[in-house]
Amino acid sequence: AQSVTQLGSHVSVSEGALVLLRCNYSSSVPPYLFWYVQYPNQGLQLLLKYTSAATLVKGINGFEAEFKKSETSFHLTKPSAHMSDAAEYFCAVSTSGNTPLVFGKGTRLSVIA
Amino acid sequence: DTAVSQTPKYLVTQMGNDKSIKCEQNLGHDTMYWYKQDSKKFLKIMFSYNNKELIINETVPNRFSPKSPDKAHLNLHINSLELGDSAVYFCASTRLGGELFFGEGSRLTVL
Repeated sequence: AQSVTQLGSHVSVSEGALVLLRCNYSSSVPPYLFWYVQYPNQGLQLLLKYTSAATLVKGINGFEAEFKKSETSFHLTKPSAHMSDAAEYFCAVSTSGNTPLVFGKGTRLSVIA
Repeated sequence: DTAVSQTPKYLVTQMGNDKSIKCEQNLGHDTMYWYKQDSKKFLKIMFSYNNKELIINETVPNRFSPKSPDKAHLNLHINSLELGDSAVYFCASTRLGGELFFGEGSRLTVL
């Protein structure tokens, strides 16, 4: 069975600083990997996804993530944090189109002015 | 046009009552899900339907009964509500192999 571990339930960065949110996965077969963002009182919105094409994936709002098979990681980064990036971020994994996404526990990102 | 819509957005009810949440998607997707998000923001899958057929039924109490009248709709009925059922319930849909599209959630509070 697949699983996801997000390191750090809360990350705080200054506005303009690098954002790094960590995600490690466990999967017995090549995974599909996703990052979602949840703003307060809203549903989840897809930021980006990896489905075995390019290992560096670019998403919306300036975010990107790199798939590293040797490290079983899919960390999310953004070069310069903006106040509007403050939200909950979820990493998720599935093993094929037939299996539902399994989510990590989420990381709350705070951005300090 | 909202892709995945859920109603109601908020429910406040007493223990022991029965309530329903409705979900509709206009994306033409074949697969729909119910996820539960607890107070710590943890998301856990409850049910999955593909073309009106139940595919996944996680270890959810049988007080929870999903119904899919057609592939665009997936409703969730909950009997004999308990305090621990308080959560945000998310409906989602997907095309095979694609990402999930989520509704905005239905926040259930059981008093």
